[in-house]
Amino acid sequence: AQKITQTQPGMFVQEKEAVTLDCTYDTSDPSYGLFWYKQPSSGEMIFLIYQGSYDQQNATEGRYSLNFQKARKSANLVISASQLGDSAMYFCAMRVSNAGNMLTFGGGTRLMVKP
Amino acid sequence: KAGVTQTPRYLIKTRGQQVTLSCSPISGHRSVSWYQQTPGQGLQFLFEYFSETQRNKGNFPGRFSGRQFSNSRSEMNVSTLELGDSALYLCASASPGLGEQYFGPGTRLTVT
Repeated sequence: AQKITQTQPGMFVQEKEAVTLDCTYDTSDPSYGLFWYKQPSSGEMIFLIYQGSYDQQNATEGRYSLNFQKARKSANLVISASQLGDSAMYFCAMRVSNAGNMLTFGGGTRLMVKP
Repeated sequence: KAGVTQTPRYLIKTRGQQVTLSCSPISGHRSVSWYQQTPGQGLQFLFEYFSETQRNKGNFPGRFSGRQFSNSRSEMNVSTLELGDSALYLCASASPGLGEQYFGPGTRLTVT
């Protein structure tokens, strides 16, 4: 079975600073994908970034980067230059190759950006 | 390109009733997955449909069912509603061979 752990229920960050949200995963499947989503108070899940288990380089999308450490089974999200609009819940999720597109989610981290 | 759409956005139902939620995936996407989000249980996978066939199913009772049409639009149905079914229901669409999955805005169901 797959498992995603997000150990930070809530975090504060000062505007314009960088922040790292932690995510560890567990799976025995060698082929998997890791996702990060942002969920504002409106409820919509916004796709941020994706990393495949065989990708050689860490994924980056604008201010978002994924620090993928395969041996440690971690996939931390780094947000650079935080903005007030980054305040939201952030979810890490995983998909494995033998389960179609089913995502297993972590419990989430609430990020609050201080002005 | 239009995103994933879900209707209705909000719904209030009475215990014992049934409800049908709809999801239209991104054009060209053939996979639609459904999730239930509650404060207590977090995000839980309900089922996935791909090319009109249920490909995966989560651990939910038979009151929860779904289907997918030839145009990839999907519906989920919950029969004999219980108070505990109050949740945000999200659907996601994906394209084969690509990593990303995109979610719709969700349907917030309240059962009274």
